[in-house]
Amino acid sequence: DTGVSQDPRHKITKRGQNVTFRCDPISEHNRLYWYRQTLGQGPEFLTYFQNEAQLEKSRLLSNRFSAERPKGSFSTLEIQRTEQGDSAMYLCASSRSGTSNEQFFGPGTRLTVL
Amino acid sequence: DAKTTQPNSMESNEEEPVHLPCNHSTISGTDYIHWYRQLPSQGPEYVIHGLTSNVNNRMASLAIAEDRKSSTLILHRATLRDAAVYYCIHTNSGNTPLVFGKGTRLSVIA
Repeated sequence: DTGVSQDPRHKITKRGQNVTFRCDPISEHNRLYWYRQTLGQGPEFLTYFQNEAQLEKSRLLSNRFSAERPKGSFSTLEIQRTEQGDSAMYLCASSRSGTSNEQFFGPGTRLTVL
Repeated sequence: DAKTTQPNSMESNEEEPVHLPCNHSTISGTDYIHWYRQLPSQGPEYVIHGLTSNVNNRMASLAIAEDRKSSTLILHRATLRDAAVYYCIHTNSGNTPLVFGKGTRLSVIA
């Protein structure tokens, strides 16, 4: 399967703990996006990378959130000191610059903070 | 803020065509119109996109109004597997983040 993959698919954690999610984009895609989705809502943008450079961060991305994309391949999203309000589906997408912005999404990581 | 307007929900009988409307009155001249769908417990899936002309692919057809302020996603024969939330988005070609609204929840009745 050459699509976008995310790991883990589900994560249950206690409030105050740190969690880290991983995204592996489609190999020839240089752009990588993170979105968050809560129940009944569409996905909301968090941050995106072109290669290893983080180009934009949403105001939704508090200072407890950090994302990296070393070497411009896979990406990690870390949430420190999790809060119950962080419970959501975290989605990763990738695309190739120079196209019409078709983005290809992974299956998501569902985070539950107890 | 979402820049498109879609009905909250629609219903269709299996094997019948479905027309999903979208208004995007604030679209700029260089924005593409994209449609994605999200099946239960999955990430969004790209369906189709267009700029000015109508488009067809194996999944659906996209009809774009002449003034580009609205579009319609057409599923020619709805199946149970088409039950999903359908999102209409307009986006420029600069690979910027997508802005999703709440979409249209399509139910397909056997």
